[in-house]
Amino acid sequence: DTGVSQDPRHKITKRGQNVTFRCDPISEHNRLYWYRQTLGQGPEFLTYFQNEAQLEKSRLLSDRFSAERPKGSFSTLEIQRTEQGDSAMYLCAGGQGTSTDTQYFGPGTRLTVL
Amino acid sequence: QQQVKQSPQSLIVQKGGISIINCAYENTAFDYFPWYQQFPGKGPALLIAIRPDVSEKKEGRFTISFNKSAKQFSLHIMDSQPGDSATYFCAASMGAGNMLTFGGGTRLMVKP
Repeated sequence: DTGVSQDPRHKITKRGQNVTFRCDPISEHNRLYWYRQTLGQGPEFLTYFQNEAQLEKSRLLSDRFSAERPKGSFSTLEIQRTEQGDSAMYLCAGGQGTSTDTQYFGPGTRLTVL
Repeated sequence: QQQVKQSPQSLIVQKGGISIINCAYENTAFDYFPWYQQFPGKGPALLIAIRPDVSEKKEGRFTISFNKSAKQFSLHIMDSQPGDSATYFCAASMGAGNMLTFGGGTRLMVKP
């Protein structure tokens, strides 16, 4: 158990609706990452926080996607006007310190857009 | 642009055999190479990782071999067990704490 939790574990929504996912890392994780994984593929990087600051965003993160990490603890990922192509597993990972590389993944949120 | 290429896509090994998964990378700035194991419905779990200053790292039944000049690295699972049946991902990153670039994954099945 990595100590990283995600909620909800599964989300089914209709195209055009907005959805929000939550990630809770352990308190020692000052770094927090979001990845997206489609079926049969490896995870793809979306965005990265160091404490509350969003330091990097992938080109995959369109204007419909927004992520926040208020107070440097939990993080939310919101998708507006969902499209069928957004169906994927959304993974959150936590990392500790600034000189280590290990990322600890949560169980993910499976999104299905009908 | 796929910066980390992984092969094979699937692998079937008999119990007790050796499972070998290979990865090749393009970006010579990568300096951290982890392997993750993922079971269905779960998030990836770190298995073992290596830096380019060593050519091999072993932890239990898992060994990473690293060839810097060829820009390749591989995972060897010795004495493979049915419980090792999972999808394995190689990954790479540049610098401490930076994003991971994953390979496409290898689905391993270990037959009893």
